[in-house]
Order: sequence, then structure tokens, then C-alpha cells
Amino acid sequence: AQSVSQHNHHVILSEAASLELGCNYSYGGTVNLFWYVQYPGQHLQLLLKYFSGDPLVKGIKGFEAEFIKSKFSFNLRKPSVQWSDTAEYFCAVNRGWGKLQFGAGTQVVVTP
Amino acid sequence: DTAVSQTPKYLVTQMGNDKSIKCEQNLGHDTMYWYKQDSKKFLKIMFSYNNKELIINETVPNRFSPKSPDKAHLNLHINSLELGDSAVYFCASRPGTGSYNEQFFGPGTRLTVL
Repeated sequence: AQSVSQHNHHVILSEAASLELGCNYSYGGTVNLFWYVQYPGQHLQLLLKYFSGDPLVKGIKGFEAEFIKSKFSFNLRKPSVQWSDTAEYFCAVNRGWGKLQFGAGTQVVVTP
Repeated sequence: DTAVSQTPKYLVTQMGNDKSIKCEQNLGHDTMYWYKQDSKKFLKIMFSYNNKELIINETVPNRFSPKSPDKAHLNLHINSLELGDSAVYFCASRPGTGSYNEQFFGPGTRLTVL
């Protein structure tokens, strides 16, 4: 079955540490990939997206992600996290007509 | 200015009741969506409308009925509410149907069925 897998359900790290969240998908053909963030008690916001071109995409708040087609992966990275990055992070694939298939999410907690 | 708004923000009701959630977007987008986020934060698409026409209808009980009176509004009506309907429901919109277009999400409606 087509799916989106996020490797870590919970990540706890200290401020200034580097963050990498894994995302793998199982769809064939052309894919459009997204990372969304949900801060506590808030709605989802787009961090970044990939649809073609440079596989390294940069998003807001210092986040970036790398699309590796051969590995069906779209991992999210940030070199130095802040306490304000505490949130739930969702990887998503567009299955067509904007039908986003989300991963299960990764809860990231950044400690001071 | 609120881009995608939902009312109510919280909804607590008894099993068996019928309730509606409203969504409005002022972004001029053509396409709107409803998502359900369960207690484990898992998000799943339910419905989508493009210019008032239903284009996505996932496997959702027919107790759930979306209605789009115009392209700026997409409401969700739920009949005979069940305990398992308790969740946060997010509305979203996006311009057109191009694959690269991001979706803009509303603040969510937390539905609690007692």
C-alpha cells in the first residue's frame, strides 16, 4: 500500500543541537512532497515543499530538506534548533488533486 | 486578517446528536478540504471540493456530509455523532489543483463526543 513513514515518533534534544527527521514514501512516479509544522495548540503551517528541480529545498525558520529519489526519502534538517522549534512535524505527499497523505508525525521537544 | 477560519473552535456534544462545523477562506482559493486529526495526531483527508464540486471523498461514514454553498465556504455536517468522532477537524484551502500548491490550514475544531 502507498504510504508515508516518519521514522521517529518522539525526539528530544537540547537547544543548539542539530535536528534531522526522516521521511520515506512508497509512491511511484512524480511526487510532490511537503513538510508541515504544528506548534502546540496551533494549526498546520508549511515549512517547505518540493515538486521539481534542486533536490535540496530551503524553507522557513532555517529548515531545509533533501529529496533523494533513489531512497524515496525527504528528510528534514535544521543545523541548530531553538526552544521555539518544539512542535509536531508532519511529512506529506500529494497523491493528486491535493490529496495529502500525511505521515504519523514526529513530536520534537527542544529543552533549554 | 484570518485566511482560513473555522467555527466553532471547540464543540462538546452528546452521542447521537447532529452538529455542524463551518469553514470559510478569504484567500480566493478554488479548492477546500476537510481533514480529521485523531488523538494520536494522525491526519487523514476526508473530503475536498473544487469550485463547489466534490472531488475527493475518502472512506468516510455517510453520517459525514460536506456542503459547499460557494467556493469560499465548506461546511461539515455530522449526523448521529459517535464517540469515535472525537477529534480535531481541520479545514484547508489551496489555489487551483496544481500539485505544487500548498494548502493553508484553519485553526481546527476540537470535537468531543460524550
